[in-house]
Amino acid sequence: RKEVEQDPGPFNVPEGATVAFNCTYSNSASQSFFWYRQDCRKEPKLLMSVYSSGNEDGRFTAQLNRASQYISLLIRDSKLSDSATYLCVVPSSNTGKLIFGQGTTLQVKP
Amino acid sequence: DTEVTQTPKHLVMGMTNKKSLKCEQHMGHRAMYWYKQKAKKPPELMFVYSYEKLSINESVPSRFSPECPNSSLLNLHLHALQPEDSALYLCASSRTSGSQETQYFGPGTRLLVL
Repeated sequence: RKEVEQDPGPFNVPEGATVAFNCTYSNSASQSFFWYRQDCRKEPKLLMSVYSSGNEDGRFTAQLNRASQYISLLIRDSKLSDSATYLCVVPSSNTGKLIFGQGTTLQVKP
Repeated sequence: DTEVTQTPKHLVMGMTNKKSLKCEQHMGHRAMYWYKQKAKKPPELMFVYSYEKLSINESVPSRFSPECPNSSLLNLHLHALQPEDSALYLCASSRTSGSQETQYFGPGTRLLVL
């Protein structure tokens, strides 16, 4: 089993749709989780951090299910500008090493 | 301010050249990182510096040589690279290397090796 797994997509959705991505992780001791967004030919940018059961920021909600070892990212009322690759990231330890999922590509269409 | 800067933005080099990539942050972060990213793949960790000391080298070939002159600067010296080393090189920093620390990425240097 990969340390961090994501469905690569692509997810093609119309504007205004609600879309959810799942990410599973193998290390049951992991305490913190991150969602980064990466636009084409740009650097990853932090979207959300998740330390407890979940986090919400506007249209974006991240939920953590420790029992099943997955994190989800929900995007409501999708905008064209939400089109990007979303990276699920889990720190492996206190060394600073991040384990990245393969990324999920979202394309929001008019 | 969560800015990490990198220079140059683009670099083309031959296999016999020597060049350096530079990264700078003024957030007082004590952990800095180099990543390599190929198209349609996630970033791959190369090196971690914690408090200006190299703490992780992910078995990177010696043609890549990192240097941390001070707590704000991180360099990556390149020598005798191969065409397969062409990639986006990302620098990142975080307050410390703790697992709950957010890493902030610079815009990257897009490297092409001919």
